[in-house]
Formats: sequence, structure tokens, C-alpha cells
Amino acid sequence: DAMVIQNPRYQVTQFGKPVTLSCSQTLNHNVMYWYQQKSSQAPKLLFHYYDKDFNNEADTPDNFQSRRPNTSFCFLDIRSPGLGDAAMYLCATSSWGRGLNTEAFFGQGTRLTVV
Amino acid sequence: GEDVEQSLFLSVREGDSSVINCTYTDSSSTYLYWYKQEPGAGLQLLTYIFSNMDMKQDQRLTVLLNKKDKHLSLRIADTQTGDSAIYFCAESKRGSSNTGKLIFGQGTTLQVKP
Repeated sequence: DAMVIQNPRYQVTQFGKPVTLSCSQTLNHNVMYWYQQKSSQAPKLLFHYYDKDFNNEADTPDNFQSRRPNTSFCFLDIRSPGLGDAAMYLCATSSWGRGLNTEAFFGQGTRLTVV
Repeated sequence: GEDVEQSLFLSVREGDSSVINCTYTDSSSTYLYWYKQEPGAGLQLLTYIFSNMDMKQDQRLTVLLNKKDKHLSLRIADTQTGDSAIYFCAESKRGSSNTGKLIFGQGTTLQVKP
């Protein structure tokens, strides 16, 4: 049973048109992460939520935003996608800082194409 | 600093053992992971090791950790064609300023020839 679910698996968007990627989890984990993975590269952390606290990486462009309306859901918003934003976007969750630290569980990813 | 490095490519014959190597620089790392990624898919956790361990074995997988040299390896016994994938080494750290975020190596592409 999938525990971290990303929708859609494939997303095509137009240059400059806002797009939202979705992630949900059934693990009740308190931390949710968004990674960007470009072709033949390592996943790169964009930001994460620790409970409701948003933590942005220093080099994440302002074009990328995130929302976490509740424990189960987290969204990645790209305000004005450029061709360079085409990538696989990976959502992950973990339990951290509550006496039991777990490994990160990843979703299947959303492959974003910008045309 | 936070740097994880891996060799980029490994080719083996089916039935042989594969050894994928990784080095890391942050001595405060407390968890070290191996993830597998098949084409077009997300990351699948294979195994992980705590930094106070030297070795962990799980079926065909053996992880060795040399803390002095900050070197981690993944050995796959009896490698099968289904093992062909990219393997990522990753580290995460404990601490109030860290929330389990992972730092990944560049990935090693494992090619298994029949």
C-alpha cells in the first residue's frame, strides 16, 4: 500500500503558468520534504515542514513555494515555471524529534515538463 | 561541510557481487542510507546504518561503515538483472537544528550484464 502518494505522476505545464504538485501521506509523520531531481543528478532539498514550521533551503529560488494545510498533505507551488524547472519532484516524509526518528519515505515522484 | 561522493558507474555480470562505494565528510552524520532508483521512479530505501555500527547485513545486502575514513559501502551478493538501477548514498544528522533532511551523493549507475 502506497504510504506517500504524489499526484499527478506526470505534469505538463506551460512556461510561466503556475502549477501545483500534491503530496499526501498515511504515516502521520510530522516532517514532509520536497526534493527536486534533475536528470542524472542527485535529489536536492528545496524545503521541508517540521510540523507546521516551514524551513526553506538557502538556495531555493523564490519561484518555489509550499503549503501544508494539515499533517497529511503538502503542496509544491511553482509560481512561474521556467524551462530549467523541468525535473522530477520528490516528496518524502519522516518522523523526527519525538523519541522515534524514522528514515525518510519517498513517494513515486511527479515528473514536470515545461513547454 | 556537507558532501557525499560516489563513483558514477559500475558494471558487473549477473551472479557476481557488486560493491558500491560512498564517502562523506560530515562526522556528525548519524544515519547513512542506501536508496535505489529505477528509471522514472521514486526512491526506494534499501537499507540504512547507524553511525555507531560497523556492519549491517540484510539478505543479499551488506553495508560496511568505516567511520575513521568516512567510507560507506554497499555490497550486493549474487547480483541480478533486476538490480540494475541508480544507487544513492545519503546521510542525515540528528540534532535540534536538523530534522532528518538527507544529503545525497550523485548516484552510482549499476549495470548488470546477463
